[in-house]
Amino acid sequence: AQTVTQSQPEMSVQEAETVTLSCTYDTSESDYYLFWYKQPPSRQMILVIRQEAYKQQNATENRFSVNFQKAAKSFSLKISDSQLGDAAMYFCAYRYNAGGTSYGKLTFGQGTILTVHP
Amino acid sequence: EPEVTQTPSHQVTQMGQEVILRCVPISNHLYFYWYRQILGQKVEFLVSFYNNEISEKSEIFDDQFSVERPDGSNFTLKIRSTKLEDSAMYFCASRVGTARAFFGQGTRLTVV
Repeated sequence: AQTVTQSQPEMSVQEAETVTLSCTYDTSESDYYLFWYKQPPSRQMILVIRQEAYKQQNATENRFSVNFQKAAKSFSLKISDSQLGDAAMYFCAYRYNAGGTSYGKLTFGQGTILTVHP
Repeated sequence: EPEVTQTPSHQVTQMGQEVILRCVPISNHLYFYWYRQILGQKVEFLVSFYNNEISEKSEIFDDQFSVERPDGSNFTLKIRSTKLEDSAMYFCASRVGTARAFFGQGTRLTVV
């Protein structure tokens, strides 16, 4: 079974600084997707960034980027120029892709609470 | 951006009562999911639904739970006899192809 581990229950960062959230996962599959979701106090699940395992290039979305290390099964999220609105719980998630027809459940990590200090 | 809509946003129910949580997925999506998040904990998969049948379910999804897509637009989760430990946030999600899953805003279920 696939597992996703986020070893940092809480992280904090000063506004405008950079922070990195860690995620490791365990799978025997080679074709999968990895995601970072943000969950603010409203508890809505908001997709931050997604990475396809077959792509060597790390995904980037504005101030958010990932460091995807497939061999090490590591998928960290870097937030640059942190803003007060980035404060939230962040979940790393994995989805197996069986030839594009996978029923595709997401397996989530335990989450990291990010606090941004002004 | 297209939206997945869940109703109600908050439901309070007595232990032992039946509840139905409703979701309207995005119209051209093919895969539908329910997830659960107990307060302060991680999001857990409950069930996936494809081609009008359950494609996968977790250990949590026991005989007390059922899902339906009664009219081709709504996607419901029924809990037959609620327990205190069913209190959680329930998220519906939908997806088409290999694209990302879209989540609804969640239904907070409180069992008293």
